[in-house]
Order: sequence, then C-alpha cells, then structure tokens
Amino acid sequence: EAQVTQNPRYLITVTGKKLTVTCSQNMNHEYMSWYRQDPGLGLRQIYYSMNVEVTDKGDVPEGYKVSRKEKRNFPLILESPSPNQTSLYFCASSPIPKGYEQYFGPGTRLTVT
Amino acid sequence: AQKITQTQPGMFVQEKEAVTLDCTYDTSDPSYGLFWYKQPSSGEMIFLIYQGSYDQQNATEGRYSLNFQKARKSANLVISASQLGDSAMYFCAMREGLVLTGGGNKLTFGTGTQLKVEL
Repeated sequence: EAQVTQNPRYLITVTGKKLTVTCSQNMNHEYMSWYRQDPGLGLRQIYYSMNVEVTDKGDVPEGYKVSRKEKRNFPLILESPSPNQTSLYFCASSPIPKGYEQYFGPGTRLTVT
Repeated sequence: AQKITQTQPGMFVQEKEAVTLDCTYDTSDPSYGLFWYKQPSSGEMIFLIYQGSYDQQNATEGRYSLNFQKARKSANLVISASQLGDSAMYFCAMREGLVLTGGGNKLTFGTGTQLKVEL
C-alpha cells in the first residue's frame, strides 16, 4: 500500500530535550516536505527536499533541522524544542513532475511543556 | 497579503443538501494548481480535488466539484448530497509555478472552513 508514515504519532516532551520525528514514504517520490498546523493559521511549510541531499527552508524553518540521506526518509529534528513548537506536524511527499499528487502522512501531535 | 482566503470559519448544512465552501486566491503566476483537502476530527489530511490553472473544465470527483472562476480568482468547493461523514475541516490550498523549480511544490493553505452536516 502506497503511504507516508510518521513516528511517533503523539509526543509530549519538555523544553530543550532534543527529539526527532521520522517520516518515510514507499512511493519513490523525489519531493518531501514538512508542515506544521496551528489553529487559525492553516498549514505552513517548514522545510522541503527536492531529492537526496537537497533541502531548503520553507516559510517557518526557525528551530527545526532536516536531512535527506535516503530518498524514502525525511526526518524532522528539533534540537532544543520550545513551547511555541507545540503543534500538529505533517510530512508530505509527491513525485516530480506530477506535483499535483501530494500524499500526507497521518500527522504527529507534539506538545512541548 | 493572504494568498489563500477562506472567509467562512464555520458552515452548517442539512444532510442531502448541497453546500459551497468559498476559496479565493491571489497570485501573479499564470501557472498554478488549486487543491482542496478534508481533515476529519481524526486529523489526517485527505486529498479531495485538484484544478490546474490551464484546465478548461471544472474538476469533479464524485460528489465533489470545484467551481473555478479564473477571472475572479475563486476556487469554491461544491459538495453535493451532503452526508454526516462530510463533517470535517476543509482546506483550500494553492501551488504556484512549476514543480521542477525550487520550492515549486509548496502548498500554501487557507485557514480552513469547519463544516457540520446536520440531520
């Protein structure tokens, strides 16, 4: 089954404790990205990657890091989480050039206390 | 300026009735794509329908249709014969430019419309 998976689905952590949210897709898609969703703001892009070793900032990259060492994986790293990073996070992937096909993961609900 | 505007924070519709969710967009790029997603209370994002800026006909997918009015820059979602399971948050989104350019596949989202279907 074609899918994007994220882990963990739910996470409660404390300020400053480094964490990684994993994202993996099994569709051989070149393009992957991370979004965060906050009430009243819709979804905003954090980082994206056009292919292996090619990443770039989205609209709200502060406080986040990413890496793309393999085509299927695109982890999101919070080196020192803060309460304002409490949010619902989505990973998405799509093939190039059929960018209208965008597949979302199930979401990761992160709470930073 | 907001690139995607959804002016209806919440909507109610009776079961079996049709409902229109509004979306207006702002772009100077002649190449763009418009998307609608459904987000039920469980949280996942479900793709509903897509309209390309050069598509001549309005997109349709089952009970969903996109009323694309290019000159007015609007891309309203029409759901026919509403069902209780249609109760969810609905997001309109836009992708500007060509996919192959850097960042070209970013989706810019509106703030969403919460739809409630009633008996």
